Amino acid sequence: DADVTQTPRNRITKTGKRIMLECSQTKGHDRMYWYRQDPGLGLQLIYYSFDVKDINKGEISDGYSVSRQAQAKFSLSLESAIPNQTALYFCATGDRVRNEQFFGPGTRLTVL
Amino acid sequence: GQNIDQPTEMTATEGAIVQINCTYQTSGFNGLFWYQQHAGEAPTFLSYNVLDGLEEKGRFSSFLSRSKGYSYLLLKELQMKDSASYLCAVRGGSGYSTLTFGKGTMLLVSP
Repeated sequence: DADVTQTPRNRITKTGKRIMLECSQTKGHDRMYWYRQDPGLGLQLIYYSFDVKDINKGEISDGYSVSRQAQAKFSLSLESAIPNQTALYFCATGDRVRNEQFFGPGTRLTVL
Repeated sequence: GQNIDQPTEMTATEGAIVQINCTYQTSGFNGLFWYQQHAGEAPTFLSYNVLDGLEEKGRFSSFLSRSKGYSYLLLKELQMKDSASYLCAVRGGSGYSTLTFGKGTMLLVSP
């Protein structure tokens, strides 16, 4: 079984719709992250959480929100999706010592 | 602020050696990572450097010079499957901070 899973893997939606992307992990890591990746722009950090009661904004948090439901679950929401949120979204977990990050398989989101 | 630079694209021939450079300017430094990412897939960890010098792991090696803000990833005996994007990422600041990723270097290995 995969250590970091994301659902859905692909999603097509329309402008203005609310979307939730879910991430679960079995690695036992406290730290979880959400990134988006656009062609030519690399990975950009949206939100991160160092434990269940800790939520922090990343470099591009506008238009997004998150929920850390448990140590193993970290969800990303787009309250009102817009076309420029079309991207590949990755969830990752990190260990405390080196912060080596382990990535989920990604969710490809298209907003029409 | 954080700034990480790496070449956009590189090409090499199967069996050859290629060096992918990464320079960084960050507020603090607590380690540098290299990740490999095949198209449409998740990044996977390749190497980690926190002290100056060379770390070798099979066909892949990574070098760090903290005084120069410089790292490179060396890939030997290139194989077609090494065609991928290579991401340099820096853990800056102090304590438990986040990673800042470069935009990645797309490596194309040809026969």
